[in-house]
Amino acid sequence: AQSVTQPDIHITVSEGASLELRCNYSYGATPYLFWYVQSPGQGLQLLLKYFSGDTLVQGIKGFEAEFKRSQSSFNLRKPSVHWSDAAEYFCAVGARGNTPLVFGKGTRLSVIA
Amino acid sequence: DVKVTQSSRYLVKRTGEKVFLECVQDMDHENMFWYRQDPGLGLRLIYFSYDVKMKEKGDIPEGYSVSREKKERFSLILESASTNQTSMYLCASNPPRQGAGNEQFFGPGTRLTVL
Repeated sequence: AQSVTQPDIHITVSEGASLELRCNYSYGATPYLFWYVQSPGQGLQLLLKYFSGDTLVQGIKGFEAEFKRSQSSFNLRKPSVHWSDAAEYFCAVGARGNTPLVFGKGTRLSVIA
Repeated sequence: DVKVTQSSRYLVKRTGEKVFLECVQDMDHENMFWYRQDPGLGLRLIYFSYDVKMKEKGDIPEGYSVSREKKERFSLILESASTNQTSMYLCASNPPRQGAGNEQFFGPGTRLTVL
């Protein structure tokens, strides 16, 4: 069975600074990988996804993520954070087949002036 | 655009009440899911369904049941609500051709408080 670890529970960054949120997964084959964002009191919105091909994927709102098979990682990055990026971020892994996504426990991002 | 709607954004119920949480999707998705979200625990899968009248237990099904009578609607039922079921409940659905290991589309969530 697949699993996901997000090592950072809470991260605080200054507005304009760069951001990297970590995600490590466990799965025996090539997984489907996702990053979702959740603003306070809202549902989850997909930021980006990796299925195959280019290991650097671009998403919405200026986010990108890189799949590194050797490190079993799929870290999310943004070069310059905006105050509106303050939210909770979830990494998820899916298997090839009819099984649900498995989510990490989330990383809460705070942005300070 | 895919739309997943949930019947209530906020709900307050009493201990012992029977509670229905409704979820509707408008894109003919075969797969539907119910999660609960609690601080520090992330999203935990309660039940999912691959088709009408089908259901599968997730990681934490105890105290919950589900109903899928129509393809577009997936209901979560708390037979006798308890205070430890106070949580945010999220519904999601999934396009049929990609299988359940693919992108899921989420509703806005229902914040349930059981007093």
